[in-house]
Amino acid sequence: SQQGEEDPQALSIQEGENATMNCSYKTSINNLQWYRQNSGRGLVHLILIRSNEREKHSGRLRVTLDTSKKSSSLLITASRAADTASYFCATPTYYQLTFGKGTKLSVIP
Amino acid sequence: EPEVTQTPSHQVTQMGQEVILRCVPISNHLYFYWYRQILGQKVEFLVSFYNNEISEKSEIFDDQFSVERPDGSNFTLKIRSTKLEDSAMYFCASSETALFSGNTIYFGEGSWLTVV
Repeated sequence: SQQGEEDPQALSIQEGENATMNCSYKTSINNLQWYRQNSGRGLVHLILIRSNEREKHSGRLRVTLDTSKKSSSLLITASRAADTASYFCATPTYYQLTFGKGTKLSVIP
Repeated sequence: EPEVTQTPSHQVTQMGQEVILRCVPISNHLYFYWYRQILGQKVEFLVSFYNNEISEKSEIFDDQFSVERPDGSNFTLKIRSTKLEDSAMYFCASSETALFSGNTIYFGEGSWLTVV
């Protein structure tokens, strides 16, 4: 099954720094999605990148996709304490999204 | 903004008891899902539901689990005889169309299930 695996598992940075998280997956995809989860809360969709796109921006988020390497990265620029959360990449089949284990980001004020 | 709502937010149950978790998906969405997340672990797919039937299920979704759309708005997950290892956060989700076309899933805030 398709599966995203993020690294690092945990990342701690100072407020204002950039945070980069990586995701690798195993099989061909139509699109790849990134989600955020605050502790004990539901998952919130952040951004979707299609297989024919190489880069996508949304506010302080920048996502890249390299289908030849089966990898994606999520960059959060100028991080804020409120960005503290777990971030997951997810790959779809027709009827489900498969999530990776996530990167736990801590932004220290 | 439309949202997926789940009840209860937290339930404690005795091992062996039946539990029903309820969800109201976003009204114009046609695909419904249950996921679970054991504390500190990844989000795992349980089942997807479309057109009043299960479209896909994982190996976790064994005979003790069932889903139902009893009316036009609710979507339920039933666990027939709970085990300690069923303790987890259960997320309901919905999407407008199938996921492969680039649609996104909208998640509820989850139902914490604690089996004692």
